[in-house]
Amino acid sequence: AQSVAQPEDQVNVAEGNPLTVKCTYSVSGNPYLFWYVQYPNRGLQFLLKYITGDNLVKGSYGFEAEFNKSQTSFHLKKPSALVSDSALYFCAVRDLGQNFVFGPGTRLSVLP
Amino acid sequence: DSGVTQTPKHLITATGQRVTLRCSPRSGDLSVYWYQQSLDQGLQFLIQYYNGEERAKGNILERFSAQQFPDLHSELNLSSLELGDSALYFCASNQREGIISTDTQYFGPGTRLTVL
Repeated sequence: AQSVAQPEDQVNVAEGNPLTVKCTYSVSGNPYLFWYVQYPNRGLQFLLKYITGDNLVKGSYGFEAEFNKSQTSFHLKKPSALVSDSALYFCAVRDLGQNFVFGPGTRLSVLP
Repeated sequence: DSGVTQTPKHLITATGQRVTLRCSPRSGDLSVYWYQQSLDQGLQFLIQYYNGEERAKGNILERFSAQQFPDLHSELNLSSLELGDSALYFCASNQREGIISTDTQYFGPGTRLTVL
């Protein structure tokens, strides 16, 4: 069965510094990988996805993610963090059976 | 705005009661997914419907049921409610007919259920 791990419950970073939110996955076959963000009292918003092709995927709000097949990772990155990036971030994987599994989430706090 | 709507926004009820949550998917989307988000369990996939038929089932309790209607809106029914059912319930939609699925799910704003 597929699974997603986000090893850090919380990530703190200073505004202007680069940020990384980690995600590793386990899935049969080729993975479809996603990152979503959730702001307080809101639904999840799609950030980016990897289906195939270039391992570096660019998404909304300046975020990008790097797919690493050998390490089964899909870490979310941003070169310069903003205070407004503070939110809950979810990594998700979809298998061939259309089943989605979300990671437990990582709370990102960007400090001014 | 994702285009997915959910009603009601908040729901407060008592243990043992039954409630119905409603979801309208994005225009043209055929798939609806239901998720439960609680503090201790994270985001849990409950069930998926595609064009009126159940497509996938996750960690959905027997006390819970769902359906998708011909107009593609969906309802999640929760019965014999327990304190532990208090959570945020999200629906998401995707998969438009005739378009290769982009797989991205579009989430509604959620319904916050409080069971007292």
